[in-house]
Amino acid sequence: SSELTQDPAVSVALGQTVRITCQGDSLRRYYGSWYQQKPGQAPILVIYAKNIRPSGIPDRFSGSDSGNTASLTITGAQAEDEADYYCNSRDSSGNHVVFGGGTKLTVL
Amino acid sequence: QVQLQQWGAGLLKPSETLSLTCAVYGGSFSGYYWSWIRQPPGKGLEWIGEINHSGSTNYNPSLKSRVTISVDTSKNQFSLKLSSVTAADTAVYYCARGFAMVRGTNYYYMDVWGKGTTVTVSS
Repeated sequence: SSELTQDPAVSVALGQTVRITCQGDSLRRYYGSWYQQKPGQAPILVIYAKNIRPSGIPDRFSGSDSGNTASLTITGAQAEDEADYYCNSRDSSGNHVVFGGGTKLTVL
Repeated sequence: QVQLQQWGAGLLKPSETLSLTCAVYGGSFSGYYWSWIRQPPGKGLEWIGEINHSGSTNYNPSLKSRVTISVDTSKNQFSLKLSSVTAADTAVYYCARGFAMVRGTNYYYMDVWGKGTTVTVSS
């Protein structure tokens, strides 16, 4: 399968921990990457290679994986973390790129 | 600091060809995949296709018949053409730099993105 599946929406109370998941067969071969997108802005890479944060990404963002599932965890969610989050990887063949459908995170 | 600057026509009529270009500033062109991604209004990200510095391409199977991605390494630019556009092609189009590691531990990511170009298809 070349699809990545995400929950459409997740909410978290301010300061609490939230996990966003992404499932797909390609994740058995490739670690997923995670992107944050705020309205009107281009996506920003927040996690890659399972749990590496690019420079400038706060350490409250972390990643993990198990089997065909990649997870993004925000520990101590902040108001500014409210955004859409997308996972992505190459497909199982390695010849194409796939995105999950996105998860809208609401910080209450 | 690598930056991507993209440009192209923002308003098209049905059946016309969409044409966008993305210039790479401040970094090497080789060793990466250069992708186009689009996002229809209110919807998620859709990968259109990619090219590497040697001109090898991969396309989304759902768009392959209408897409051409090309590269001009002398200018550090890559371009997208999407033919026979319809209203369904209305979207924000992004260019992005991708990197793949396939050496036991496999991963892929897109770490640099253009700001996006809004393309509207309307008669």
